[in-house]
Amino acid sequence: SYELTQPQSLSLSPGQTAGITCSGDELADLPVYWYQWKPGQSPLLIIYQGNNRPSGIPERFSGSTSGDTATLTINGIQSMDEAEYHCQAWASGTAVFGGGTKVTVL
Amino acid sequence: QVQLQESGPGLVEPSQTLSLTCAVSGDSLTTGDYYWTWIRRPPGKGLEWIGYIYYPGSAYYNPSLQSRVAISVDASKNQLSLRLISVTAADTAQYYCAAAPSPGDHFAHWGQGTPVIVSS
Repeated sequence: SYELTQPQSLSLSPGQTAGITCSGDELADLPVYWYQWKPGQSPLLIIYQGNNRPSGIPERFSGSTSGDTATLTINGIQSMDEAEYHCQAWASGTAVFGGGTKVTVL
Repeated sequence: QVQLQESGPGLVEPSQTLSLTCAVSGDSLTTGDYYWTWIRRPPGKGLEWIGYIYYPGSAYYNPSLQSRVAISVDASKNQLSLRLISVTAADTAQYYCAAAPSPGDHFAHWGQGTPVIVSS
């Protein structure tokens, strides 16, 4: 079965740039979605189809894909960005999620 | 605005059947706007897609669960249901209902989730 792999955690200081990776076989050939998930809230879509940002999502969030890796980049991270980030793709008609990356802003 | 609210028994004994419901408001399950989905998250692990149903009844399941799972719609109550038979401790998770505009798309709406513990 298809698998997506993310780092478990990432710690940064405010203003730094976060790069969260999501790895899967030939992932660049699949539409990739990124969600931000804060405690007590529902997941929020922040990137769709690899590199598109829904309306209302700040420009500091961007996405890219290449080969087996999709990357969510948060430029100038802020304390409000502290959350779990989950990647998602569809493979052979099945939705697949990464394990999620917990981002801490110190 | 579509809202989803899951409910369930909380605790299920091993080998028994888990039944969950998801009350949907803000849209009808029968209009064909969404693929209505169940997703779960075991403790300490990532999200696992269980399957979806597209009214009036086409369902598609995760191959890893296909032999044990059924998703259905109660149109009269506008409720989505999940039935998982022969549960084990590995089925302990937070269960979420969600809605995607189409297969291959993102999950646009999520419930808050309901916990399920499989234990005797």
